[in-house]
Amino acid sequence: DAKTTQPTSMDCAEGRAANLPCNHSTISGNEYVYWYRQIHSQGPQYIIHGLKNNETNEMASLIITEDRKSSTLILPHATLRDTAVYYCIAPSQYQGAQKLVFGQGTRLTINP
Amino acid sequence: KAGVTQTPRYLIKTRGQQVTLSCSPISGHRSVSWYQQTPGQGLQFLFEYFSETQRNKGNFPGRFSGRQFSNSRSEMNVSTLELGDSALYLCASSLGYQETQYFGPGTRLLVL
Repeated sequence: DAKTTQPTSMDCAEGRAANLPCNHSTISGNEYVYWYRQIHSQGPQYIIHGLKNNETNEMASLIITEDRKSSTLILPHATLRDTAVYYCIAPSQYQGAQKLVFGQGTRLTINP
Repeated sequence: KAGVTQTPRYLIKTRGQQVTLSCSPISGHRSVSWYQQTPGQGLQFLFEYFSETQRNKGNFPGRFSGRQFSNSRSEMNVSTLELGDSALYLCASSLGYQETQYFGPGTRLLVL
C-alpha cells in the first residue's frame, strides 16, 4: 500500500478556501489518489480522485504534484457543513481487487 | 439513483451470539466491500466480493465471514460475538473491483 501522511487537524474560516495537503511519496505509477470525508460516524463520502492531472468536480479540486509525491484537496468556499475528517488514500491492488486503507485523516473544522 | 443501503442501522447483541448484516449496493454495481470502524483501530478492510466470489480479505479472524448473492446484495456474518466487535460496519459498492467505492450509512453494532 502507498502510505499517505496528512496533518492531524486543520482549521479554516467559513467562506474561505480550505487546502488539505497529503504526502504519498511511495505511490507507484498506476496508483490513484482518492479523497473521502466522513462526517461524524456517517459512512465515508467520496469526494474526488486523480492519477496525474489536476481534477475538479462540483465538490472540490485536486492538485497533484508533477512527481506525484503529494497532493492537495481544495474546498473553494468552505461551509460549516464541510467540517469532517478527510482521508487521502492510495488504494492498493491485490489480485486485481482494490482495497482502501484508511489512515487517521485530517480533522477539518470550519469556523464561523 | 439510490445509494448503498445497509440494514439494520442499529443492533444490540450479547457476547456469544451471532449477527448478520445486510448490504444492498447501488444498482448496477457488482463489487461490494466491507469495513469495520472502531475508535481504537479506525477504518479497517474486512473483505471484498465481486460476482459472488471473495476476491480480497483483510486481517480478521474466521468468525467474520461474508457472501454475495447473484443480485450483488451482500451479507456479512459475525459468529460468537465479543465485546471488541462493537463497531460501525460499513459497506461500499463499486461498478467493478477497481472502480470508485461508494459507502453506505453503516450498521452500528453494540455487543454487551
